Amino acid sequence: DTGVSQDPRHKITKRGQNVTFRCDPISEHNRLYWYRQTLGQGPEFLTYFQNEAQLEKSRLLSDRFSAERPKGSFSTLEIQRTEQGDSAMYLCASSVGGEQYFGPGTRLTVT
Amino acid sequence: KQEVTQIPAALSVPEGENLVLNCSFTDSAIYNLQWFRQDPGKGLTSLLLIQSSQREQTSGRLNASLDKSSGRSTLYIAASQPGDSATYLCAVSRGYQKVTFGIGTKLQVIP
Repeated sequence: DTGVSQDPRHKITKRGQNVTFRCDPISEHNRLYWYRQTLGQGPEFLTYFQNEAQLEKSRLLSDRFSAERPKGSFSTLEIQRTEQGDSAMYLCASSVGGEQYFGPGTRLTVT
Repeated sequence: KQEVTQIPAALSVPEGENLVLNCSFTDSAIYNLQWFRQDPGKGLTSLLLIQSSQREQTSGRLNASLDKSSGRSTLYIAASQPGDSATYLCAVSRGYQKVTFGIGTKLQVIP
């Protein structure tokens, strides 16, 4: 049984660089979510896809952030011109009903 | 705007004790509530999902209840073990879209 996978697991980048993260959901799951989590906080919702359609975006998702889910399979989250405040764990989850299954996350450090 | 509060923020108990974690939410028009555990630096593991029409769910030593009208859920852990040490998060959703998390309760079970 393959769960949700995320790549890379860790990313260190310099301020101003662009980064892209990938999420592979559980194969039959049509819904996919991105969250951001900082130390000591719960995950904060960023965006949601149903199949390939991006149906909701948080106000947290500034114009430097973009997410895609081509063909309704894997998804990518890109952050342009990274800032130190972008340092966080980026979590992906998928679901087919109401229950969400999370990946291991990508830890981003912006220096 | 939905707000989720978890009390206590941290809890330390001796092994074998039964314990209760609390979650409250401000908007009772929820679709479901889900409890997760998170180990340090890791993703989230789903524990229990309660649909809005349900009152409780059980899995092994875990029991979660939901009272929509009062905006509360509890997670009961029976006969706690050191391996239960983790942060426990509750999350509520309105439909399949935005999900709101609490900050979590950090549990330590002392051998």
